[in-house]
Amino acid sequence: NAGVMQNPRHLVRRRGQEARLRCSPMKGHSHVYWYRQLPEEGLKFMVYLQKENIIDESGMPKERFSAEFPKEGPSILRIQQVVRGDSAAYFCASSPPVQNTGELFFGEGSRLTVL
Amino acid sequence: AQRVTQPEKLLSVFKGAPVELKCNYSYSGSPELFWYVQYSRQRLQLLLRHISRESIKGFTADLNKGETSFHLKKPFAQEEDSAMYYCAFHSSNTGKLIFGQGTTLQVKP
Repeated sequence: NAGVMQNPRHLVRRRGQEARLRCSPMKGHSHVYWYRQLPEEGLKFMVYLQKENIIDESGMPKERFSAEFPKEGPSILRIQQVVRGDSAAYFCASSPPVQNTGELFFGEGSRLTVL
Repeated sequence: AQRVTQPEKLLSVFKGAPVELKCNYSYSGSPELFWYVQYSRQRLQLLLRHISRESIKGFTADLNKGETSFHLKKPFAQEEDSAMYYCAFHSSNTGKLIFGQGTTLQVKP
């Protein structure tokens, strides 16, 4: 089991461009979570998804950010018209379908730099 | 609102000294609390959870409902304990995990 895979590991974008971050959960996991870590800050919850459903997006900025977890393929976190303040590490985590134990399995993160 | 607070950004101790990483929470019910750790160049991983009352790598954490705390302790720090430590609250209602700001533990030789 390769664990949670995130790509790209590093992404550089200019202001106004789009950023797409991908997350493949662990095999057998159907729940995906996205967190953002700004420089010098902790992990901030963004969104919680199950296959084809957004369960909780209370941490997502109201504009420019969206997330999906389709039936087939990885989960995608999409940031449109990026600004410098979007520069951060974005972490994905997954958990199995029947659990509510609070144990999440994390990817290595995707580091977005906006020039 | 559910919240987890780690008041120290950095804790620096010498090898062999006791360690206590502080964590306070705000929640009126029975909380589900965890400690996660991120070693250098590794991914974030679960260290321990209060429900199991286990000791992992010599670390323990006791839930104190009176003080709303879940401090992480180890009697004798080792250099390999140097890492970033996050306290986390699990909401069984929503399924999401809420993290504190994190504390960097630096164990000096």
